[in-house]
Amino acid sequence: DTEVTQTPKHLVMGMTNKKSLKCEQHMGHRAMYWYKQKAKKPPELMFVYSYEKLSINESVPSRFSPECPNSSLLNLHLHALQPEDSALYLCASSQDPGWERSNQPQHFGDGTRLSIL
Amino acid sequence: GEDVEQSLFLSVREGDSSVINCTYTDSSSTYLYWYKQEPGAGLQLLTYIFSNMDMKQDQRLTVLLNKKDKHLSLRIADTQTGDSAIYFCAESPMTSGGGADGLTFGKGTHLIIQP
Repeated sequence: DTEVTQTPKHLVMGMTNKKSLKCEQHMGHRAMYWYKQKAKKPPELMFVYSYEKLSINESVPSRFSPECPNSSLLNLHLHALQPEDSALYLCASSQDPGWERSNQPQHFGDGTRLSIL
Repeated sequence: GEDVEQSLFLSVREGDSSVINCTYTDSSSTYLYWYKQEPGAGLQLLTYIFSNMDMKQDQRLTVLLNKKDKHLSLRIADTQTGDSAIYFCAESPMTSGGGADGLTFGKGTHLIIQP
């Protein structure tokens, strides 16, 4: 069982819809991540939050809008998506690197499988 | 830049050992990881090794790290049908600005188990 919970597990939406993906962890981790994974490909980093502040945006289109309301929750707001945005969206969390500046192991949720019609 | 390479497929017989290999390029990597992904599921952290170690064993899993050659391997002893999945090698370089950063993944090795 994963300690990172993502909802919904599946989402089908039209190109004009607005929806949100949710991620929750209760491991006390202060770094949270969104990755996008296309079929038969490795995950690609989208965003990193550290201490509830956005620290990395990998040039993601503005139709994806992340939000970190508190240290346990991470959302990804979706609006006006394109068919090529259909993918598995994975959330992950880890302890902050701290003074050693060493990235800590990342724990992933089961993902939300998104289909854009 | 960062690059992680692994072969795309490995076929083994049930009960044999599986060895999945990976090469990476970033010598500043502090942690190296193995993740398992079953069909329709997320990534499961199988094991990881800190860069100052050369071996780590955890039940049926053995990780070997050759830092000089930037080569990482995962050995699964007594491979079972439940081990059928895609295995991703990933590296985690020391962070540039001191904050958290994403992982760099290989393309994944699809482990196929023959009866």
